[in-house]
Amino acid sequence: KQEVTQIPAALSVPEGENLVLNCSFTDSAIYNLQWFRQDPGKGLTSLLLIQSSQREQTSGRLNASLDKSSGRSTLYIAASQPGDSATYLCAVRGSGGGADGLTFGKGTHLIIQP
Amino acid sequence: NAGVMQNPRHLVRRRGQEARLRCSPMKGHSHVYWYRQLPEEGLKFMVYLQKENIIDESGMPKERFSAEFPKEGPSILRIQQVVRGDSAAYFCASSPRQRRETQYFGPGTRLLVL
Repeated sequence: KQEVTQIPAALSVPEGENLVLNCSFTDSAIYNLQWFRQDPGKGLTSLLLIQSSQREQTSGRLNASLDKSSGRSTLYIAASQPGDSATYLCAVRGSGGGADGLTFGKGTHLIIQP
Repeated sequence: NAGVMQNPRHLVRRRGQEARLRCSPMKGHSHVYWYRQLPEEGLKFMVYLQKENIIDESGMPKERFSAEFPKEGPSILRIQQVVRGDSAAYFCASSPRQRRETQYFGPGTRLLVL
């Protein structure tokens, strides 16, 4: 059974810092990995999708990497801003039989101090 | 192109009543997924549907819960005889066709059972 772990659970940093969020998964048989942000009381916004054959994806100040063999992904946020404050979720989609849905981590709650 | 729509956004039910949650996928999307987010827990996959077919319901509770995605109209998640433990945020996501594609999430329905 796939399990996804995100470290740290919470992070508070001053504005302008570069930061890294970590995600690990136990079963390397995945189709893809997706990073989301969730604002309080809101839905999920997709940030980046990395296919299993890819090593990284970039969008603006965000860069996500994937090391499938070691079961790890990182989300790098450059020059953080107060508007980046949210909960960041990592999710994987398995390629084996069974559940077709995403398996989520519990998230990293990020606060960027102005 | 409107995003994934869910209604109602908030739903209050008394124990024993029925809850019906609706999800309209993005235009052109034929795959729908339902997830549940319990307080202080991560999102959990419930069911995956295509038009008129349930593809994977491995995350769905065996009793009281059902889902459908008819040929016409929205997908419906139905919870019969609700209990307090059903209080959660229920999210719907959709994707175009392929497993490898991004899932786009709706804003969620927050169910409160009194």
